[in-house]
Amino acid sequence: QVQLQESGPGLVKPSQTLSLTCAVSGVSINSGSYYWSWIRQPAGKGLESIGRIYTSGTTNYKPSLRSRVTLALDTSKNQFSLKLASVTAADTAVYYCARVNMVRGVLGSYYFDHWGQGILVTVSS
Amino acid sequence: QSVLTQPPSASATPGQRVTISCSGSSSNIGSNFVHWYQQLPGTAPKLLIYSNSQRPSGVPDRFSGSKSGTSASLAIGGLQSEDEAYYYCASWDDNLNGPVFGGGTKLTVL
Repeated sequence: QVQLQESGPGLVKPSQTLSLTCAVSGVSINSGSYYWSWIRQPAGKGLESIGRIYTSGTTNYKPSLRSRVTLALDTSKNQFSLKLASVTAADTAVYYCARVNMVRGVLGSYYFDHWGQGILVTVSS
Repeated sequence: QSVLTQPPSASATPGQRVTISCSGSSSNIGSNFVHWYQQLPGTAPKLLIYSNSQRPSGVPDRFSGSKSGTSASLAIGGLQSEDEAYYYCASWDDNLNGPVFGGGTKLTVL
């Protein structure tokens, strides 16, 4: 079955770059019409979509984060990554990677069908 | 401030039926599908309902979803203690060109 697993540092200093990797098993990340995505959740708060990357490498980011975010695929390792630059305490959150599914490839049906377990990233000096 | 609006809390006793609402606008729920996620304490969200009313394999038929206009609702029948969790609605927003979530509803089983 499809499984996702986040990894990376749990502590990042302010102004530095947060780097996370999502290892995918059970499916090839460059097969099928899927997006791969990152979502975050600050403690006690709701879910926020950070961005998505298609199997072709095409990316789309949340406008308020666009200047700081980079998503990338590594098909040789069947994983994808998130880099968030110039972090502040406001970026402290649990970060989830997820697979996006769509009905007949229609964006209006976009939903997250498989999630990683999440990784807590704290921004602090 | 979430784009979709949910009540912050809901409660019911075991065996009862509870409904959680989700309100949006013409750019999201009004023109796209609605999905629901269940987040048990300390765990990742799990897909509960997709495309307004479809259940993924393994989700009990006690859970059902519906949509009308710019609102949607999740109904849970025969409530069980293990249903105590946060429930999030989500949809695609045409103006934002991305997915949007509700703020989440904490369901307490009394």
